Amino acid sequence: DGGITQSPKYLFRKEGQNVTLSCEQNLNHDAMYWYRQDPGQGLRLIYYSQIVNDFQKGDIAEGYSVSREKKESFPLTVTSAQKNPTAFYLCASSIRDSSNYGYTFGSGTRLTVV
Amino acid sequence: GDSVTQMEGPVTLSEEAFLTINCTYTATGYPSLFWYVQYPGEGLQLLLKATKADDKGSNKGFEATYRKETTSFHLEKGSVQVSDSAVYFCGENSGGSNYKLTFGKGTLLTVNP
Repeated sequence: DGGITQSPKYLFRKEGQNVTLSCEQNLNHDAMYWYRQDPGQGLRLIYYSQIVNDFQKGDIAEGYSVSREKKESFPLTVTSAQKNPTAFYLCASSIRDSSNYGYTFGSGTRLTVV
Repeated sequence: GDSVTQMEGPVTLSEEAFLTINCTYTATGYPSLFWYVQYPGEGLQLLLKATKADDKGSNKGFEATYRKETTSFHLEKGSVQVSDSAVYFCGENSGGSNYKLTFGKGTLLTVNP
């Protein structure tokens, strides 16, 4: 079955470390997105990519980086510059014109700073 | 920019009660409208959608009607179950050059037996 897979489900980071969250999709979707979810704050867009080798900053890109070397993969790195990284991270994908079809989401990665 | 406003939660209901979660949007033109549901610890799942004015989206007993005149897409269910306890997100997509979906802040629904 086609879908979008995020790993790991839970991730612990020490202060000052970079960590990378994986997002893979086999839906042949062109566009991929990363969101951060905090309690009571809804979803906030971090980065998005509409095509391989191209990506754009969302509303809260500071302290994060991404790459899009393959259509199927859109990893997110949480750098040490992100001062409050503890959150639930959601990856999504869509066909390029998602206006009629919406997004498909992964099951999320919960990142905790220890 | 475009925005989506949904009623603040949390909403707490008894089983078999009627549910309404209000959602309004600011986009001009005819955006596509969506409701997503998020169960605890999971990602979002598409619940229903409507892509043109007066369309009614429906799924699993939930319904929402695209009202252009009031720029609204309120979610309703006639008789909620404990298993409907989740966070519900309203979203709109105006298309255009970036195809980004704009979400509301989510509404937590708790249904008690």
